[in-house]
Amino acid sequence: DGGITQSPKYLFRKEGQNVTLSCEQNLNHDAMYWYRQDPGQGLRLIYYSQIVNDFQKGDIAEGYSVSREKKESFPLTVTSAQKNPTAFYLCASSLGLAGAKNIQYFGAGTRLSVL
Amino acid sequence: GNSVTQMEGPVTLSEEAFLTINCTYTATGYPSLFWYVQYPGEGLQLLLKATKADDKGSNKGFEATYRKETTSFHLEKGSVQVSDSAVYFCALTNQGGSEKLVFGKGTKLTVNP
Repeated sequence: DGGITQSPKYLFRKEGQNVTLSCEQNLNHDAMYWYRQDPGQGLRLIYYSQIVNDFQKGDIAEGYSVSREKKESFPLTVTSAQKNPTAFYLCASSLGLAGAKNIQYFGAGTRLSVL
Repeated sequence: GNSVTQMEGPVTLSEEAFLTINCTYTATGYPSLFWYVQYPGEGLQLLLKATKADDKGSNKGFEATYRKETTSFHLEKGSVQVSDSAVYFCALTNQGGSEKLVFGKGTKLTVNP
């Protein structure tokens, strides 16, 4: 089945620790995205990538980093600089960014908590 | 810039009631409009879309019509079920260029039996 796989489903971070959230897609999509979802705040864009080896900051990139070494993979690292990382993280992909190509397909999410 | 405004929730209905969730937008040019649904503990799923004025998107009994004159894309369903309980997000992206998808804040719907 084609889709987006996020892992792990639940993740716990200790103080001062970096953690990496995995996102893999087999839809052959060029564009991938990371969102953060907090209760009552909707989705906020962290980073996005239009193509391999290229990515752009979204609205709340501080304290996060990404890489896009392969088309199918777009891991997100939550660094120790992110002081309030507890949230639900969603990865998405689409054919492209423009117009009707930007129909985004989402993974099931990773819930990150701080110990 | 582009923005989406949804009605504040939560919305609580009885089974078989009529549903309307309002969505209005601000955008330059001719945006494509979407409704996404998020069931508890899951990611978002595309529910329906419309890419030009007067288009009607429909799926699973839900409908929304792209109204350029009122810059609206209200979601409707004639008879809701308990299984429709979820959070609904309105979103837009502009045609052409490299505009990102812009989401509303979401409206939580609870349907009681």
